[in-house]
Amino acid sequence: DTGVSQNPRHKITKRGQNVTFRCDPISEHNRLYWYRQTLGQGPEFLTYFQNEAQLEKSRLLSDRFSAERPKGSFSTLEIQRTEQGDSAMYLCASSPPGLADTDTQYFGPGTRLTVL
Amino acid sequence: DQQVKQNSPSLSVQEGRISILNCDYTNSMFDYFLWYKKYPAEGPTFLISISSIKDKNEDGRFTVFLNKSAKHLSLHIVPSQPGDSAVYFCAASTGFNKFYFGSGTKLNVKP
Repeated sequence: DTGVSQNPRHKITKRGQNVTFRCDPISEHNRLYWYRQTLGQGPEFLTYFQNEAQLEKSRLLSDRFSAERPKGSFSTLEIQRTEQGDSAMYLCASSPPGLADTDTQYFGPGTRLTVL
Repeated sequence: DQQVKQNSPSLSVQEGRISILNCDYTNSMFDYFLWYKKYPAEGPTFLISISSIKDKNEDGRFTVFLNKSAKHLSLHIVPSQPGDSAVYFCAASTGFNKFYFGSGTKLNVKP
């Protein structure tokens, strides 16, 4: 297994269009996170899944954003009616079960969204 | 909702010297802290972590110190190498459900 993968790596869209991103976590990892990162800032938490259950959701995740993880494996993040302010890097991360000291989040390379 | 802060946007250090990156947090409920390193066009890469029951954790050239009373976290890199040049993020969590990241410190290690 080569790590967390995200597709597409880049997406350019026009304002008002819908976009969907996919994240494939590391295979044994039951925890999956989505973040958004803008220039000069750290990643901002969007949502967290444990298996297929969405357990945490940020206020940043407006009604235009929805995330799913239907079978507890890959996840999708959809943005409806995109706005220019949605332009950012969208990062996915996964973690194994348990809370050992060595546990951490493993990040994918991100999907860069540009809304024109 | 800036619960984790990195007040130094950049740091420049000579190769071979110590790099000290700092991080402050406001939520006393955080029980797990992590440092990440990020190169351009890549996702963050995990460096080192510490749980709130410890005050120090070492891994090779990297040491993280936690001062719970001051709500302060620091990362020491000794000796610094040019390959360490990157943006460093600290992050904090309660129970691994939600992570808060600082805004990052760009480290430049000069040869």
